[in-house]
Amino acid sequence: DGGITQSPKYLFRKEGQNVTLSCEQNLNHDAMYWYRQDPGQGLRLIYYSQIVNDFQKGDIAEGYSVSREKKESFPLTVTSAQKNPTAFYLCASSPRGGPPPEAFFGQGTRLTVV
Amino acid sequence: KNEVEQSPQNLTAQEGEFITINCSYSVGISALHWLQQHPGGGIVSLFMLSSGKKKHGRLIATINIQEKHSSLHITASHPRDSAVYICAVPFNTDKLIFGTGTRLQVFP
Repeated sequence: DGGITQSPKYLFRKEGQNVTLSCEQNLNHDAMYWYRQDPGQGLRLIYYSQIVNDFQKGDIAEGYSVSREKKESFPLTVTSAQKNPTAFYLCASSPRGGPPPEAFFGQGTRLTVV
Repeated sequence: KNEVEQSPQNLTAQEGEFITINCSYSVGISALHWLQQHPGGGIVSLFMLSSGKKKHGRLIATINIQEKHSSLHITASHPRDSAVYICAVPFNTDKLIFGTGTRLQVFP
């Protein structure tokens, strides 16, 4: 079945360590997105990519980095520079660039930094 | 003021009740999304609509572009409808702006 796979579902890291969240899609979508969700807030865009080898910062990119070497994969690295990394992270993809006309979401990764 | 506002924030209902969740937005849009987030966190797209009304099973979504308002209705609600319902609108050319969600709990 086609879809978006995020792994792991739960992730624990010590403060000061970088951590990479995986996002893979087999939908042949061009665009991929990373969102952060905090309690009581709407999803906020971290980074997005509309084509391989290209990506743009979203609203809250500081302390994060991404790569898009393959169409299927859009990993997110939470660096030690991110001041409040504990959050729920969601990856999404859509068939083409521009406002996601139809967005598909992964199951999310809950990151806890201790 | 948030660009996308939902009401109510929390909603409880008895099984069988008719549910309405509202979404108002201040940004210009080409379409509005309704999403469902289950307790595990995964999000499913329910509807994308740019005018009028759409229906899928017991779910009905309406939108009034002039008033910048959309509603999501659930008829004959069931405990399995318990989830967070989120509306989202496209902004500029490349991103969605999300509401904070409405947490719905339906009790048997």
